[in-house]
Amino acid sequence: SQTIHQWPATLVQPVGSPLSLECTVEGTSNPNLYWYRQAAGRGLQLLFYSVGIGQISSEVPQNLSASRPQDRQFILSSKKLLLSDSGFYLCAWSLGQGNQPQHFGDGTRLSIL
Amino acid sequence: EDQVTQSPEALRLQEGESSSLNCSYTVSGLRGLFWYRQDPGKGPEFLFTLYSAGEEKEKERLKATLTKKESFLHITAPKPEDSATYLCAVLAYSGAGSYQLTFGKGTKLSVIP
Repeated sequence: SQTIHQWPATLVQPVGSPLSLECTVEGTSNPNLYWYRQAAGRGLQLLFYSVGIGQISSEVPQNLSASRPQDRQFILSSKKLLLSDSGFYLCAWSLGQGNQPQHFGDGTRLSIL
Repeated sequence: EDQVTQSPEALRLQEGESSSLNCSYTVSGLRGLFWYRQDPGKGPEFLFTLYSAGEEKEKERLKATLTKKESFLHITAPKPEDSATYLCAVLAYSGAGSYQLTFGKGTKLSVIP
């Protein structure tokens, strides 16, 4: 069966520091991968998605970037964090077909001080 | 613009008191509707996929139904462990051969013993 791992679970970072959140998927090949941010009282906001190694699509212009160095690895990064980057970050995967459900990791709670 | 609206925002039920959650949507080219359960501090857990009007899916005390404009998540004789936020997401064609998944803001369900 497929599993998805996200780490760290919580992170406290100062403003202006760099960021790297990692997500890996096991048990499937060539999944679609996604990064979301979830803010209190708001729906999930899609940040990036990837349909293959090195292929990244950005949905929202912002202070963040994503990379997919391996088939089942997805990384969310920032060079300099802003206060507004605080939030709950979720990674998800789905099979390649367009109408398949997405499956989520347990998220990273990021607090910027 | 595609929209997904969930109601009510919050619902308190006594244990055993059946009820329904609503997810209404305005999209063109529906490809699928997904229901998720999210516990505090965790990622959404996939429950059901519905692809066409008239379709129904069941899992334990939960039953999801779909019409052309809305979906219902019926909860029969709920237990305290059913307490969670329930999210609805709609997958629709967004043009240029791509699809977009839009999430509602969720319904927070509390089941009181």
